[in-house]
Amino acid sequence: EAGVVQSPRYKIIEKKQPVAFWCNPISGHNTLYWYLQNLGQGPELLIRYENEEAVDDSQLPKDRFSAERLKGVDSTLKIQPAELGDSAVYLCASSASGGPTDTQYFGPGTRLTVL
Amino acid sequence: AQSVTQLDSQVPVFEEAPVELRCNYSSSVSVYLFWYVQYPNQGLQLLLKYLSGSTLVKGINGFEAEFNKSQTSFHLRKPSVHISDTAEYFCAVRLNRDDKIIFGKGTRLHILP
Repeated sequence: EAGVVQSPRYKIIEKKQPVAFWCNPISGHNTLYWYLQNLGQGPELLIRYENEEAVDDSQLPKDRFSAERLKGVDSTLKIQPAELGDSAVYLCASSASGGPTDTQYFGPGTRLTVL
Repeated sequence: AQSVTQLDSQVPVFEEAPVELRCNYSSSVSVYLFWYVQYPNQGLQLLLKYLSGSTLVKGINGFEAEFNKSQTSFHLRKPSVHISDTAEYFCAVRLNRDDKIIFGKGTRLHILP
């Protein structure tokens, strides 16, 4: 069974440019998460989807970040415009149903460097 | 609100020696507890989780953790480490369906030859 797929793995851009990350969750998983992981820190939730609905986006900086999950499968996270402080690893995870005891499966992440 | 504290940012240990990675949490209600491992340039992988029942939880790769409610701790242990255990380990806590999982800052395990 394929795991969570993310692309690109690495992205280098200049500040003020837009950038997008793509995630394909494990087949059949209804819940999808985007996390931000700064250097030396644990992941922090940006947004959680259950099917197509964003059920928790309280930590998403909505002035520059946006996300979508069309048809309840793949998801895209966008930053426009990027700032120097956005340099981090962006992780996508999925779980079967989003319950508190469900295991979250993580992708390898996209490492973003903003110059 | 709940929080997680990993007391050591780095832990060096000789190969085949035992190791303990410490984790304390803060919450006024019952929680679910997790340990994840992150190998270099990879995503996080679940090692083990405590949901209820026996306080000693066994996970993959020979790791185990013990839930101690009175000390609000969930320390991770392995009796004999290998070079392949070199990674970052994250302790995490979650309350219920609508609460997000909170991760600690991580502990980097260095295996010395």
